Amino acid sequence: KAGVTQTPRYLIKTRGQQVTLSCSPISGHRSVSWYQQTPGQGLQFLFEYFSETQRNKGNFPGRFSGRQFSNSRSEMNVSTLELGDSALYLCASSPQNTDTQYFGPGTRLTVL
Amino acid sequence: DAKTTQPPSMDCAEGRAANLPCNHSTISGNEYVYWYRQIHSQGPQYIIHGLKNNETNEMASLIITEDRKSSTLILPHATLRDTAVYYCIVRVKTGFQKLVFGTGTRLLVSP
Repeated sequence: KAGVTQTPRYLIKTRGQQVTLSCSPISGHRSVSWYQQTPGQGLQFLFEYFSETQRNKGNFPGRFSGRQFSNSRSEMNVSTLELGDSALYLCASSPQNTDTQYFGPGTRLTVL
Repeated sequence: DAKTTQPPSMDCAEGRAANLPCNHSTISGNEYVYWYRQIHSQGPQYIIHGLKNNETNEMASLIITEDRKSSTLILPHATLRDTAVYYCIVRVKTGFQKLVFGTGTRLLVSP
């Protein structure tokens, strides 16, 4: 089975712009979670989607949003980018929301 | 906050067993112990998980103490490719629970 894929792998944006990141889960997985990793804060949970519904959300501002499509693919959006949004954004999928999460390679976002 | 405590770093010689400890003294009866590793800013890789019995798979073995307050991940024959940050996480399996990553253990495997 193919693993979790994330596109793009690298992205450079400037402050004030918005960005959309994409995640394709492992085939058959219905739960998709997003995490942000920075040197200062480590790995932090952003939100989780299951069957196209956001069921859980971390402590991030409203500039961070996401959605999930009927094929379980997910996107996350960050609007009005700030320098502090520079991070590795990781997507993880699992068959059900109680199961083991498997991570993709991440998207490295740099905000200039 | 993470519910686990791990040493910040460990060294291991290539070919030897790497034993990575984790303390989780406040673990609840329905919480599992999970181990992930992250190699040089790649996505975290799932290794193994267990509830109270020892577990083994093709990657590693997990030894959980009888009181479940600590565990050890064992890489039986460490290779250079096992150099990574190893995270020990506790989570329930009922309903969604986010993974709470601590600072992990940076394992350096040397020739």
